[in-house]
Amino acid sequence: GAGVSQSPSNKVTEKGKDVELRCDPISGHTALYWYRQSLGQGLEFLIYFQGNSAPDKSGLPSDRFSAERTGGSVSTLTIQRTQQEDSAVYLCASSFLAGGNEQFFGPGTRLTVL
Amino acid sequence: AQKVTQAQTEISVVEKEDVTLDCVYETRDTTYYLFWYKQPPSGELVFLIRRNSFDEQNEISGRYSWNFQKSTSSFNFTITASQVVDSAVYFCALSEANAGNNRKLIWGLGTSLAVNP
Repeated sequence: GAGVSQSPSNKVTEKGKDVELRCDPISGHTALYWYRQSLGQGLEFLIYFQGNSAPDKSGLPSDRFSAERTGGSVSTLTIQRTQQEDSAVYLCASSFLAGGNEQFFGPGTRLTVL
Repeated sequence: AQKVTQAQTEISVVEKEDVTLDCVYETRDTTYYLFWYKQPPSGELVFLIRRNSFDEQNEISGRYSWNFQKSTSSFNFTITASQVVDSAVYFCALSEANAGNNRKLIWGLGTSLAVNP
C-alpha cells in the first residue's frame, strides 16, 4: 500500500509569510506525528494526534506553529510569520494505534525561509 | 530525563568491514521501546528495528544485528560485511510507555556512516 506522503517536497518562502505543510498518513493509522529535523539539532518532536483525542502540542516551539488533523486522516502544519530559524525539514510519521509501534515516515518537506 | 546519545558522529569504513554503531539511552521508565532508523542520502527515514525493554534477546537480520543490554543502557547496532549501500545516517530513538498514548520518539543525533569501495 501507499506510504506516508507529504507535500510540498520543497518550499521556499520569504520571512514573515505563512506556510502550510500537508501530510497524508498511511490508511488505517490512527496516530500521526510531526517532527522537525534541523542541522545541528537533530530530530525534535512537534505535535501528536491520536484518533479524535486532543492533540499533544507540547513540542511546538512557539505559538506561530499550529496543526490540525481533519477526519482523523490528513494533517496540516501551519507556520505563521515564518522566521529564518524555521528553516528545516518537517517530517510526518504515522503508526497503527500508538503503543510502541514503529512509526513510518514520509519523505519530508524542506522549508527554506529567506 | 529521557535522552539518547550516539557518541559517534561520523564513521568511515572500507567495504566488507564490520562496523558497530553505539547507542546509549537514559530513561526513568521501566517500560520503553528502542528503535533504529536509517536515513539514506535520499532523506527518507527507514525503520530498521524495535525492541521493548523486557526483551533483551539479541536480534539478527541478515547482515544487521542488534545488542540490547539494560545493564549498560545500550542498544548497539552492528553491520557485518558492510556495503556501499549501507552508507547513510543511522538514528537510535527511544519512546516511553509512561508517556501515555503519545509515544513520541526521542532521538539521538545520528551517526553518519560512509562505506567506501
